[in-house]
Amino acid sequence: KAGVTQTPRYLIKTRGQQVTLSCSPISGHRSVSWYQQTPGQGLQFLFEYFSETQRNKGNFPGRFSGRQFSNSRSEMNVSTLELGDSALYLCASSLVAGGGEKLFFGSGTQLSVL
Amino acid sequence: GENVEQHPSTLSVQEGDSAVIKCTYSDSASNYFPWYKQELGKGPQLIIDIRSNVGEKKDQRIAVTLNKTAKHFSLHITETQPEDSAVYFCAASSYGKLTFGQGTILTVHP
Repeated sequence: KAGVTQTPRYLIKTRGQQVTLSCSPISGHRSVSWYQQTPGQGLQFLFEYFSETQRNKGNFPGRFSGRQFSNSRSEMNVSTLELGDSALYLCASSLVAGGGEKLFFGSGTQLSVL
Repeated sequence: GENVEQHPSTLSVQEGDSAVIKCTYSDSASNYFPWYKQELGKGPQLIIDIRSNVGEKKDQRIAVTLNKTAKHFSLHITETQPEDSAVYFCAASSYGKLTFGQGTILTVHP
């Protein structure tokens, strides 16, 4: 059974640009959550999607957005990049919607903003 | 919102010893408490979880205890092995959101 797949693995962008990250969940999982991981702030919840609908959202500015497709694949977009957006972005999928239960994480996309 | 504090930030043990990591949470509405292990270059991996209606759960060398009154929960690893070396995160789920602790770097020396 394939795990959660995130692409690309690494990204380098400059301030002001935008970026789109992709996540393919485990087959059969309909819930996809996104997390930002930094050395200073740790793991922080961005948002969760289930059946193409955003179920929950963390405390991030509107520059961070996401969507989920009918095949449960999800994308996350960050517009007008800032230096502080440099982080590891993790996607997690689950059979269960809400509550962060039984999450399976991908290896993440390492984003560097110069 | 929920706040989770995790201690210690680093823990060094000898192979075969036990390791204990402790977390406290602030929101009494939190009802699900998972523990994750993250190895270098990988995403976190769920190793054990517990719900608020259970006081203790064990899976081979790993156990978790929960004290709802005191709002704290702990991870216990017995007979540690070098492959247990990693970063461990606790988390608490409240109103559909998972809040993580800051992590503990566990090093097991052979």
